[in-house]
Order: sequence, then structure tokens, then C-alpha cells
Amino acid sequence: AQKITQTQPGMFVQEKEAVTLDCTYDTSDPSYGLFWYKQPSSGEMIFLIYQGSYDQQNATEGRYSLNFQKARKSANLVISASQLGDSAMYFCAMREGGNYGQNFVFGPGTRLSVLP
Amino acid sequence: DAGVIQSPRHEVTEMGQEVTLRCKPISGHNSLFWYRQTMMRGLELLIYFNNNVPIDDSGMPEDRFSAKMPNASFSTLKIQPSEPRDSAVYFCASSWDSRNTIYFGEGSWLTVV
Repeated sequence: AQKITQTQPGMFVQEKEAVTLDCTYDTSDPSYGLFWYKQPSSGEMIFLIYQGSYDQQNATEGRYSLNFQKARKSANLVISASQLGDSAMYFCAMREGGNYGQNFVFGPGTRLSVLP
Repeated sequence: DAGVIQSPRHEVTEMGQEVTLRCKPISGHNSLFWYRQTMMRGLELLIYFNNNVPIDDSGMPEDRFSAKMPNASFSTLKIQPSEPRDSAVYFCASSWDSRNTIYFGEGSWLTVV
């Protein structure tokens, strides 16, 4: 079963506008972490933001914020004031808890294109 | 601080040859992950280690693939014999148990012809 779902294969946004990238997840573990990574055309994987399952507040990192809705099992990434350099693939990922070793799975990704 | 270091960055090899990909995790990290990325299948977790011990290798495609972590600062992923369908970007990543984020190397771009 798919653990991470990203329903938007591609998204377009106008420069300086905000954009939301969707992510839903599936786990029965009460302890887990949710992550977003950016992969520009150069290929490296860049960590953006993290949200723990027990965190009471939504995570924010500069222009990135995570809209965490635990009951709905969603962890959407919001990018404010989009820039041309934000054009990239964005991956949602989940790490499930455990006492020994923690698996880390990725969704299929969303390709974001920022238009000038 | 040095990040995750992978080598080679690019490799082109002929079908049937042995390929060895190398990874040096971030110092102090005790979890290490090998991923494969292709257009068709996205990012696939191949294997991960905790404290040098393989925890889950269910993602390893077949017996042609093997991975080792002889010590905390080095891991290899070996493909023998290689096939054209193994062409992909192979990422190594590491993390520290008490922190959740995993950090990726720059990837090894493998082409098997």
C-alpha cells in the first residue's frame, strides 16, 4: 500500500504568489515524522522542513511552512512568495517510529514550475 | 561540515560488469540508507543500516545487488553483474538516531550500456 501520496504530478505558480503542494500519508504508528525535500534539476536532494507527529504547532522555515492536519493525515507544504529558483521536484516523506531502525519512505513527487 | 560523500559521481559501464558504489556518511550519524531513483519508479529505498547492521533489505531488487557497511564511516553498494535496467541515480543518505532528518549525498549516476 502506498504510504505517501502526492496527487499533483505538476503544478504551476506565478512568481511572488503562494503555492500549496499536497501530501497525504498512511501509518498506524503514533510516532512518526514528516519531511519535505526539494530536488532541483541539478539532482541533489535538499531538506526543507520537518514536522513531528506530536508537534502541536505547524512547522515553519523561512518561506516554507507545513500545514499539518493529523486527523486527515495530511502534511501539505506551503511556499510563500514563490521565486524562480523554487522550480524543482518536491518530495514528501515519512519516517515511522520504532525502537530499532526507522524506515524512511518518499512519495512520488510534485514538479513545481514558477512562472515569471 | 562535510556532508554525505558518494563516489563515483558518474559511471558508465558495460552490461555484465561489476559496479561498486561508495558512501561515507556524515560523521556521528548511525543510520545509513541507499536509495535508487528512476523516472519510472521514483525514489526507492533499497536498504538501510542502523549501527552498521542491515535492518531492512527488502527493497534490494535481486541477488545481483549487495550492500555492506563494514564500519560507521563507510558503505558500499555492489551490482554484479550489471544490466541496462540498473541505470539510475543511486543516493546514499545518513541520519542520527536522536534526530529525524536524513541528509543525502549528491548521488551516483550509473549508466549501464
